[in-house]
Amino acid sequence: TAGITQAPTSQILAAGRSMTLRCTQDMRHNAMYWYRQDLGLGLRLIHYSNTAGTTGKGEVPDGYSVSRANTDDFPLTLASAVPSQTSVYFCASSLGGTSGSDEQFFGPGTRLTVL
Amino acid sequence: GQNIDQPTEMTATEGAIVQINCTYQTSGFNGLFWYQQHAGEAPTFLSYNVLDGLEEKGRFSSFLSRSKGYSYLLLKELQMKDSASYLCAFMDSNYQLIWGAGTKLIIKP
Repeated sequence: TAGITQAPTSQILAAGRSMTLRCTQDMRHNAMYWYRQDLGLGLRLIHYSNTAGTTGKGEVPDGYSVSRANTDDFPLTLASAVPSQTSVYFCASSLGGTSGSDEQFFGPGTRLTVL
Repeated sequence: GQNIDQPTEMTATEGAIVQINCTYQTSGFNGLFWYQQHAGEAPTFLSYNVLDGLEEKGRFSSFLSRSKGYSYLLLKELQMKDSASYLCAFMDSNYQLIWGAGTKLIIKP
């Protein structure tokens, strides 16, 4: 079982260009999340989806968009990249619902550099 | 408001015990998580506490005091492979995780 995969592993992107980070899970989890991780800061939630067909904004959604057309896939799009979006991006998934013990499983991350 | 705090870095000796503290403030609380993250890798789940007290899992234990907004992760019989960052996170009233910046643990021989 692959669990949760992300692509690409790393990318260098020119400012102003668009890019989609891909995330796929095979655990049939209802909920999926996109985080960014920057040095000295905790993981910050960008967008989330509690179930296929629904999405919500996290703490830092500006400049990013997501879609959740099916259970498995949760792509993150940067419409016009800026240098401040240089970060490591993690996708995660969980069973979801209102159980407090909702463990999140993380993908391997995408390291994005915007120049 | 909500906030969460943990030390930036700690150093310990192989074979010893180390305690990593985490304090938080929130109006809504649905549990406290600890994750381990090796350099360049994804976070992986270590423990979850929702009730006060100590949860033991092998060499790792996690403690929670809800009234004090305080948790700690206790690592015993430290091994070199325990060198990693340890992330504390609480689940808020919306069932979203609020993460600390992580504690980098350095293990010396």
